[in-house]
Formats: sequence, structure tokens, C-alpha cells
Amino acid sequence: GQNIDQPTEMTATEGAIVQINCTYQTSGFNGLFWYQQHAGEAPTFLSYNVLDGLEEKGRFSSFLSRSKGYSYLLLKELQMKDSASYLCAAMDSNYQLIWGAGTKLIIKP
Amino acid sequence: GAVVSQHPSWVICKSGTSVKIECRSLDFQATTMFWYRQFPKQSLMLMATSNEGSKATYEQGVEKDKFLINHASLTLSTLTVTSAHPEDSSFYICSARIPDYGGARETQYFGPGTRLLVL
Repeated sequence: GQNIDQPTEMTATEGAIVQINCTYQTSGFNGLFWYQQHAGEAPTFLSYNVLDGLEEKGRFSSFLSRSKGYSYLLLKELQMKDSASYLCAAMDSNYQLIWGAGTKLIIKP
Repeated sequence: GAVVSQHPSWVICKSGTSVKIECRSLDFQATTMFWYRQFPKQSLMLMATSNEGSKATYEQGVEKDKFLINHASLTLSTLTVTSAHPEDSSFYICSARIPDYGGARETQYFGPGTRLLVL
């Protein structure tokens, strides 16, 4: 079956770095997405990886290893506003997104 | 990025009534839109895929007669929750797919969501 695994909750300190991991198993693969979702709001797009390697976008970077079925989202210089849930989603061969349950990130001062 | 709007943002209704939620792509044409439902502290659950000009494709376990989807134009899809009951109370989110013809990327952009409370 198709499955996405990511930690349920993580805690980090303001100004620090945090890495949120995601492993996936899908029928075919057309890319890995990361979305940010603040409480009570819809998700917003953060990143997309389809090739192996690291993609950097400001304070956020996303990494993909297709052979390992693994991705991570790296957040640097954490700010209080980064407190949110981070959703990992893999796109299967039918271009459907398979969603993880999300990782709730708590930032402490 | 692309803009997707939803209306209304909040709905409170009595049990047994029907509720219509609109999803619009404001600055692009979306041949495919998706409807999700999200219960508190849970991930998004895909309900159906809405294709312009054709019938929606429903996920297993989603009643097509209860959740009516119409995608009449390239910028509008509607979800109607018929005879709503308290267990239908949830956060309903639509998204529109934008294909990137330069590559294999197809990004989904989400509407702000509609919170439905059935009393």
C-alpha cells in the first residue's frame, strides 16, 4: 500500500535549526511536496522535489533521496511564526497526492 | 503563487439542510480541482477529484450522492453537502492543480478552507 510517515510532533528553540523527516512508499513517484499549515488555516506550498538532492529556498530547504524513499524539510533561524504543522505529501503515478499526518512543530523562545 | 478562493469561509446550519461551497481559481484556469476534508488534528483526506466538464472521481468511502461536486467551468468547482448532519462538521478545503509543462511538476494550490458546523 501507499504510506507516508513523519513524526507527530517536534519542539525546537527560536533561532535554532530543525529537520523534519518523511519517509514514503507510493505506487510510482512524481515528486515530494512539503506544505505548511497554521492552525485553522489551509495548507500553503513550501517546496517540491523530484530529483535527488537539496533544494534551498531562503530559510527553508528540502532534501530528497528517491532510492531511500526519504525526504526532509530543514528550517533554519527558527522564528516563532514557524510554529505550525508541516505536511509531507508524495505524488504517485496517477498524480495523486498521498498525505502524511503532519508534524506539529512547536517553537519555544 | 496562484490564488484559489473559497466561499463561504464559515457555515453554521441545521441538521438536514444542504450547504454549497464554492472554489474558484482567480488568476488561472484549473481543469482539475480537489476537495479535501480535515478533522481536527488530522491530516487532509481527499474526498474527490473534480474534472471540468466531466463527473467527479470519488475516493473510497465518500458518498457521491451526499457530496455533490460540479465543475462547470475552468475556474469554478462546487461541493454541495446534502442533508448535512453533525458528523459532517469539518474543515473542507479545495485545491487546484497547476501543471508545469516545462517539467513533471504539478503543484496544488489550496483555497483558504470552509469550516462547516452542523447543529
